[in-house]
Amino acid sequence: KAGVTQTPRYLIKTRGQQVTLSCSPISGHRSVSWYQQTPGQGLQFLFEYFSETQRNKGNFPGRFSGRQFSNSRSEMNVSTLELGDSALYLCASTLSGRVKNTGELFFGEGSRLTVL
Amino acid sequence: AQSVTQLDSQVPVFEEAPVELRCNYSSSVSVYLFWYVQYPNQGLQLLLKYLSGSTLVKGINGFEAEFNKSQTSFHLRKPSVHISDTAEYFCAVSPVNSGGYQKVTFGIGTKLQVIP
Repeated sequence: KAGVTQTPRYLIKTRGQQVTLSCSPISGHRSVSWYQQTPGQGLQFLFEYFSETQRNKGNFPGRFSGRQFSNSRSEMNVSTLELGDSALYLCASTLSGRVKNTGELFFGEGSRLTVL
Repeated sequence: AQSVTQLDSQVPVFEEAPVELRCNYSSSVSVYLFWYVQYPNQGLQLLLKYLSGSTLVKGINGFEAEFNKSQTSFHLRKPSVHISDTAEYFCAVSPVNSGGYQKVTFGIGTKLQVIP
């Protein structure tokens, strides 16, 4: 079974640009969550999508947005990039059924964004 | 609401020595507990999890953790570390009855540095 796939793995942007990151979850997983990881801040929850609907959101500005497609693939977008947006962006998928949902997450390798 | 405290941000240890990484949590409801490991430039992968039953949980790569409900702790241990264990370790909790929603809370992480 293929794991969670994130693309691109590395990218460099300049301030003011926008970026789109992609995540393909494990087959059969319907929930996709996004995290921002920076040194000293740990993992900060961005949002979760399930069945094409955002059902949970972290404390990030509106420049951060996402969506999920009918095949459960997800994208996140950051507009008007700032230097502080430089981070590793991690995607995680889970089965997320109403029964026996343990919260175990399956992570991709991340997309490392550098903003210059 | 939940919170996770990892008491040590960095732990240096000599190769073949034992190690304990500490994790305490706070929650008003019952939780599942997890330890994840992150190697450089990679995503997180599950080391072990406590769902129910025996409080001593064994995971991959020789790691184990003990759930102590009275002390709300879930410390990670390994009797003899190897250079390849150098990584960052994250403790996480998830409510037992989350209704299918992803509500995982992560600690800030502990960097384990194994010294040859």
